Amino acid sequence: AQSVAQPEDQVNVAEGNPLTVKCTYSVSGNPYLFWYVQYPNRGLQFLLKYITGDNLVKGSYGFEAEFNKSQTSFHLKKPSALVSDSALYFCAVRDARGTPLVFGKGTRLSVIA
Amino acid sequence: GAVVSQHPSRVICKSGTSVKIECRSLDFQATTMFWYRQFPKKSLMLMATSNEGSKATYEQGVEKDKFLINHASLTLSTLTVTSAHPEDSSFYICSASLSGSDEQFFGPGTRLTVL
Repeated sequence: AQSVAQPEDQVNVAEGNPLTVKCTYSVSGNPYLFWYVQYPNRGLQFLLKYITGDNLVKGSYGFEAEFNKSQTSFHLKKPSALVSDSALYFCAVRDARGTPLVFGKGTRLSVIA
Repeated sequence: GAVVSQHPSRVICKSGTSVKIECRSLDFQATTMFWYRQFPKKSLMLMATSNEGSKATYEQGVEKDKFLINHASLTLSTLTVTSAHPEDSSFYICSASLSGSDEQFFGPGTRLTVL
């Protein structure tokens, strides 16, 4: 069975500094990896995904993530954080098309002005 | 991009009543829809997977007689919380995917409060 670990409940970063939100996964077979962002009382918004191809994936709002197969990681990054990036971030994985996503517990990002 | 809507966005009901939540794919036909439940400050927990025209597949520990799911068309799935109790209060989120697609599109969620 697949699983996702987001080791940090909370990440604090100063505005303008780079940010990283960590994610590691476990699947059998090739992973399909996703990052979503959730604002208060809202549904999930898609940020980016890795299915195949380049290990560095670029997504919405300047976010990117790097797939590292040897470390089974898919960390989310942004070179320069904005206060508006403050939200709850979820990493998710699936192991085949049509199967439901398995989510990590989420990491709350706070960007301080 | 693909849009999924949910209705209502918020509902408050009395204990013992039933509540129906609708999930619609607005600009695509969703062969599969998923229902999740999110507790405060917690991750999304998959409740069930529904395929159009067939019975939903429930995750372990989810009562199928309490959480009735109907996927009558390729654009609509409904979740009915029957005989709701305060412990059913939660944020319910649906998502939809196309056949063969690797992506799920999420609705905005429904906040259910049972008094």
